[in-house]
Amino acid sequence: AQSVSQHNHHVILSEAASLELGCNYSYGGTVNLFWYVQYPGQHLQLLLKYFSGDPLVKGIKGFEAEFIKSKFSFNLRKPSVQWSDTAEYFCALDMRFGAGTRLTVKP
Amino acid sequence: DTGVSQDPRHKITKRGQNVTFRCDPISEHNRLYWYRQTLGQGPEFLTYFQNEAQLEKSRLLSDRFSAERPKGSFSTLEIQRTEQGDSAMYLCASSLPGNEQFFGPGTRLTVL
Repeated sequence: AQSVSQHNHHVILSEAASLELGCNYSYGGTVNLFWYVQYPGQHLQLLLKYFSGDPLVKGIKGFEAEFIKSKFSFNLRKPSVQWSDTAEYFCALDMRFGAGTRLTVKP
Repeated sequence: DTGVSQDPRHKITKRGQNVTFRCDPISEHNRLYWYRQTLGQGPEFLTYFQNEAQLEKSRLLSDRFSAERPKGSFSTLEIQRTEQGDSAMYLCASSLPGNEQFFGPGTRLTVL
């Protein structure tokens, strides 16, 4: 069965700090992996996706993620966060979502 | 607005009542999904359709839940004999096969 786990429930950073949010999945077949973001009061929206090819994918707003097949991981990164990145971040394997990580960026 | 829409946005009901939610997907999307989300959790998959066919239904979904997509366009999610544990945000999303999902604003259900 497919499942997704996100390691951090709540991350607090200062502006300009680097971000890495962990995501591990459980599935042995072909994977379609996504990171979605939900800003306060808004819909879930796509940050980036991986289907195949280059394992380093770039998304909107300076985010990127690396697919490491041997580790069943798809971690999200951003070199320098901004206050406006405060949101909830969800990793998804097709239709299976992780529990989410709440990111708070302090100005 | 050509995004996914859901109606109503909020629903308050008494335990034991039936409720029905509607979702209108993006018009060219043939896949439609329903999720439930509670505070502090990610969206929990309930079911999805490809056109009018319901292709998968979560084992977590009790017999009180039913979804339809009769003409392959809008969908309804009905919960019969609601319980307090059904209180949650119900999300609808649509997509093209294998692509990212576009989410609606959700329907917040409160069961008293």
